Amino acid sequence: QKEVEQNSGPLSVPEGAIASLNCTYSDRVSQSFFWYRQYSGKSPELIMSIYSNGDKEDGRFTAQLNKASQYVSLLIRDSQPSDSATYLCAVNRGKLIFGQGTELSVKP
Amino acid sequence: DVKVTQSSRYLVKRTGEKVFLECVQDMDHENMFWYRQDPGLGLRLIYFSYDVKMKEKGDIPEGYSVSREKKERFSLILESASTNQTSMYLCASSLGAVTGANVLTFGAGSRLTVL
Repeated sequence: QKEVEQNSGPLSVPEGAIASLNCTYSDRVSQSFFWYRQYSGKSPELIMSIYSNGDKEDGRFTAQLNKASQYVSLLIRDSQPSDSATYLCAVNRGKLIFGQGTELSVKP
Repeated sequence: DVKVTQSSRYLVKRTGEKVFLECVQDMDHENMFWYRQDPGLGLRLIYFSYDVKMKEKGDIPEGYSVSREKKERFSLILESASTNQTSMYLCASSLGAVTGANVLTFGAGSRLTVL
């Protein structure tokens, strides 16, 4: 089992819809979780971090963490074509372990 | 803004060559990392360093070594390049305790092709 797993996609949503990206992790002791966005041909950039169970909102982005079920998700409301990118989930275990990424395509 | 600069964007090398990938950060970060990124596999950690002259193996260190003689510079070395090391290599740095919030700032990447 991979330490951090994501559906590779591609996930396609229409403009204005909610995009839901999911990530599961295997190590229960993990304490901090991150979502990075990577545009094609660019390097990853941090968009959200979450440390406590529940939801954390930042503009159109909401990160959700459920430690009991060992999953973390990212919701993007009112999706825009500019949100089209690969989204990488990362878990801190003394070093960042990344999932393989989910490619999101937002269609106008 | 933190800048992480990788010396080469594109390199083409031959099998068996020794390859140096250089990375420099300008914000006095303690931690530096080398990842490789391959389609379908995401980012995999090769080596990392918490301080000058120290290094730790990541998940896929075989075939690689690193050097950190100065705080701002972290070099990745392929002693004898092989075709399966063709990949995008990403350097990153971060400030603060590794077990705490670990916000990585990435360089632009170095795409290495080994023929």
